[in-house]
Amino acid sequence: DTAVSQTPKYLVTQMGNDKSIKCEQNLGHDTMYWYKQDSKKFLKIMFSYNNKELIINETVPNRFSPKSPDKAHLNLHINSLELGDSAVYFCASSQTGTGVRRAFFGQGTRLTVV
Amino acid sequence: DQQVKQNSPSLSVQEGRISILNCDYTNSMFDYFLWYKKYPAEGPTFLISISSIKDKNEDGRFTVFLNKSAKHLSLHIVPSQPGDSAVYFCAASPRYSGAGSYQLTFGKGTKLSVIP
Repeated sequence: DTAVSQTPKYLVTQMGNDKSIKCEQNLGHDTMYWYKQDSKKFLKIMFSYNNKELIINETVPNRFSPKSPDKAHLNLHINSLELGDSAVYFCASSQTGTGVRRAFFGQGTRLTVV
Repeated sequence: DQQVKQNSPSLSVQEGRISILNCDYTNSMFDYFLWYKKYPAEGPTFLISISSIKDKNEDGRFTVFLNKSAKHLSLHIVPSQPGDSAVYFCAASPRYSGAGSYQLTFGKGTKLSVIP
């Protein structure tokens, strides 16, 4: 059983389109995240979300929005895709209040905007 | 502004020898540090972590050392094995509460190659 799963694994789309990446975790964690790994291999936090708060990294354009239908899912919606959005997007989850602040990551979604 | 720095993009080590990966940080709000391992086309997987109240944590072949005054941590792998070949990311999390407390700030990674 995959702990954190993302779909699709690969996504190729044209500029200007709107797309979504889905993420599900079966670990019972209370917090989920989206990270972006750009062409320079930097892995950066985009969003942190639990049922009480959403924290948005100030550098994330408002074309990106997380949607959480329930505690086990955090989908990423991207409007008006741009070439610079091409990257690998990782979903992650963690359980707050534990001693070990580890996050579990999905396998990533490679987004290519053409 | 890189708050977590891994200044060595790559490292090659002979099988059986020690691998030492280094990481520096600048943000004093960081109080918890982690190492992740990443294979191509996979997500990062947790390796080992350390709280700022400790200076060493050990798990099998992996040991993390933390020097708070120097804002420096290192990962030692002894003995190194070919299966350890991967990209290793250093990460740090801040002393916040709620959803922000587990946000991770990553370094750029060090690609470790263990030569048989």
